[in-house]
Amino acid sequence: DVKVTQSSRYLVKRTGEKVFLECVQDMDHENMFWYRQDPGLGLRLIYFSYDVKMKEKGDIPEGYSVSREKKERFSLILESASTNQTSMYLCASSPTSGGLRSYNEQFFGPGTRLTVL
Amino acid sequence: GQSLEQPSEVTAVEGAIVQINCTYQTSGFYGLSWYQQHDGGAPTFLSYNALDGLEETGRFSSFLSRSDSYGYLLLQELQMKDSASYFCAVRSDRGSTLGRLYFGRGTQLTVWP
Repeated sequence: DVKVTQSSRYLVKRTGEKVFLECVQDMDHENMFWYRQDPGLGLRLIYFSYDVKMKEKGDIPEGYSVSREKKERFSLILESASTNQTSMYLCASSPTSGGLRSYNEQFFGPGTRLTVL
Repeated sequence: GQSLEQPSEVTAVEGAIVQINCTYQTSGFYGLSWYQQHDGGAPTFLSYNALDGLEETGRFSSFLSRSDSYGYLLLQELQMKDSASYFCAVRSDRGSTLGRLYFGRGTQLTVWP
C-alpha cells in the first residue's frame, strides 16, 4: 500500500513562530504536493515538486516555502506563522510513470491541522 | 486560468442514485478525476476519465464529455457510508505544471436513512 505520512496530526503554534510540516512517502513517487484545505474553498495548492531540489509555486505560495532534499521527503515551512495560516494542511504524492492514470491519482497523507494563535 | 464548478451540497436517501456534476475551464486538458473525502479523513482517488464516455467501478461511475467540458460522478445504491465530500479535478500539462491537478471546491453529499 502507498503510504504518505505527515509529522503531526495536530499542531498549535504562536504568531511569528517558524513552523515545519514534514511529509514522507514510501512509494518512490517523483511528484509531491502541499495543499491547504479550508471550508468551502476546497483544496488549494501551495507548492509542488516533481524532483529532488525542484519546486514549483502553486496557487497560494505567499508566506510559505518548501524543501525537498530527498525524494521521499517534502517539507513545508511557514517562515513566520500568522493567524490566517490556521488551516488543514495536506501532503500528497503521485508517480510519473504508470500511464495516464498515474498523474491523476494522488495519494494523500492524513493531514496536519495547524492552529496559529 | 483554470476553473471548476460543482454543486456545494447534494442530499439523497439510502438506495437512491445521485449524480454530481462538474464543469471545467482549463487551458489544457488531460483528464478528469474524482476524489472522495470523509469528514476528518484524507481525500482518496475514486476514478479517472481521459476519453469521452462512462467508466464504471462498482456502484460508482464517472462520465466525461470533452466537447462540453463536463463530467459527472454517478453513485448508485447509495449507502450511509457514501456521505462525504466529493471533488472533481482536472490535470493540466501546461509547461512546468506537469502533473498538477486543479480541484473543484467539493460537493458535500449527505445520505439519509
